Amino acid sequence: EAGVAQSPRYKIIEKRQSVAFWCNPISGHATLYWYQQILGQGPKLLIQFQNNGVVDDSQLPKDRFSAERLKGVDSTLKIQPAKLEDSAVYLCASSFTISRTVSYEQYFGPGTRLTVT
Amino acid sequence: AQSVAQPEDQVNVAEGNPLTVKCTYSVSGNPYLFWYVQYPNRGLQFLLKYITGDNLVKGSYGFEAEFNKSQTSFHLKKPSALVSDSALYFCAVRDSDYGGSQGNLIFGKGTKLSVKP
Repeated sequence: EAGVAQSPRYKIIEKRQSVAFWCNPISGHATLYWYQQILGQGPKLLIQFQNNGVVDDSQLPKDRFSAERLKGVDSTLKIQPAKLEDSAVYLCASSFTISRTVSYEQYFGPGTRLTVT
Repeated sequence: AQSVAQPEDQVNVAEGNPLTVKCTYSVSGNPYLFWYVQYPNRGLQFLLKYITGDNLVKGSYGFEAEFNKSQTSFHLKKPSALVSDSALYFCAVRDSDYGGSQGNLIFGKGTKLSVKP
């Protein structure tokens, strides 16, 4: 079974530029997550999709970050314009689905390391 | 509010000795608890989870964790450490009664485990 795929693996941009990250979840997984992991911290959820609908985007800085999952499979996360504090690893994860009574494991991709200079 | 604390930034263990990585949590309802491991330049890998039932949970690579409701803890343990266990370990919690995002995990800041030969 193929894992969660992410690209690019590394990206260096200057502040105020834009950048986009791509994620392909495990086949059949309805739920997709984007996390931001700043050095020395645990991952922080940015946005969660169930199929092509947004479940939670409460911690997404909507003035500069956007994400979409148009066909309920692949997803892109965009930052425009980037700030220095956006330097982090952006992790995509997927799970089978979500349920109040069953907690399905999240499977993580390798992440994209973003450096904003 | 949900929270997870990993009080140790780093744990050093000699190969062959038992290891413990500590985690405490705070939720308003019943917790779903997880441990993930992160190797350099890799995404997070699921180790084990506690949902309900037996307080001692066994997971991948010989790891186990003990859920202690009175102490609100979920410490990760292994009877005999290997050099290859050296990595970053994250504890995460989901509140089963949280009325908001389903499946949303709150991660601790991580504990670096170093196993010396």
